[in-house]
Amino acid sequence: DAGVIQSPRHEVTEMGQEVTLRCKPISGHNSLFWYRQTMMRGLELLIYFNNNVPIDDSGMPEDRFSAKMPNASFSTLKIQPSEPRDSAVYFCASSFSPGETQYFGPGTRLLVL
Amino acid sequence: SQQGEEDPQALSIQEGENATMNCSYKTSINNLQWYRQNSGRGLVHLILIRSNEREKHSGRLRVTLDTSKKSSSLLITASRAADTASYFCATNNYGGSQGNLIFGKGTKLSVKP
Repeated sequence: DAGVIQSPRHEVTEMGQEVTLRCKPISGHNSLFWYRQTMMRGLELLIYFNNNVPIDDSGMPEDRFSAKMPNASFSTLKIQPSEPRDSAVYFCASSFSPGETQYFGPGTRLLVL
Repeated sequence: SQQGEEDPQALSIQEGENATMNCSYKTSINNLQWYRQNSGRGLVHLILIRSNEREKHSGRLRVTLDTSKKSSSLLITASRAADTASYFCATNNYGGSQGNLIFGKGTKLSVKP
């Protein structure tokens, strides 16, 4: 298996623009997680899905952030409009079942100018 | 909210020495996991230890868990320069939203050749 795939790997955008991050989990994994990592706040869970259903979105910062998982092999995290404070590395991870080992993608490094 | 807190925040050792990192947490857990992150990369799972286990080994890694003290330690024996990375503990908490992990801020390990 190719592992968790994220795209794009790097994104530079201007404040106010819409940003869409994409994730393909490992085939057969039922849980998918979106994290944000910054130096100041460390690794924060934004949202997690189980069987394509959002289970916990308490970490989503505000209404500007939204996430979808239309099927078992694809998820998106959207920021609209983006702000400079959204600059971070965004990771997607998947696991076979909730609470078990998570497999992380390489991350998307987002810079909002 | 932070659950696992690693100690020390940074550790610098010589190649061949052992490295010990500690993690403390606050609430009851189902399992505790250790991850490694090389600079600019995603996290890689190292070991998962369940709440009813006390010790686990994997190659040069040894993890202990003391649920009475709510603490865990990761020992890397005979360290190598390639072990240079940040190490995170993550807890899967008992009760509540059981699928997610809560990560600490990590220990930055530097192994000098």
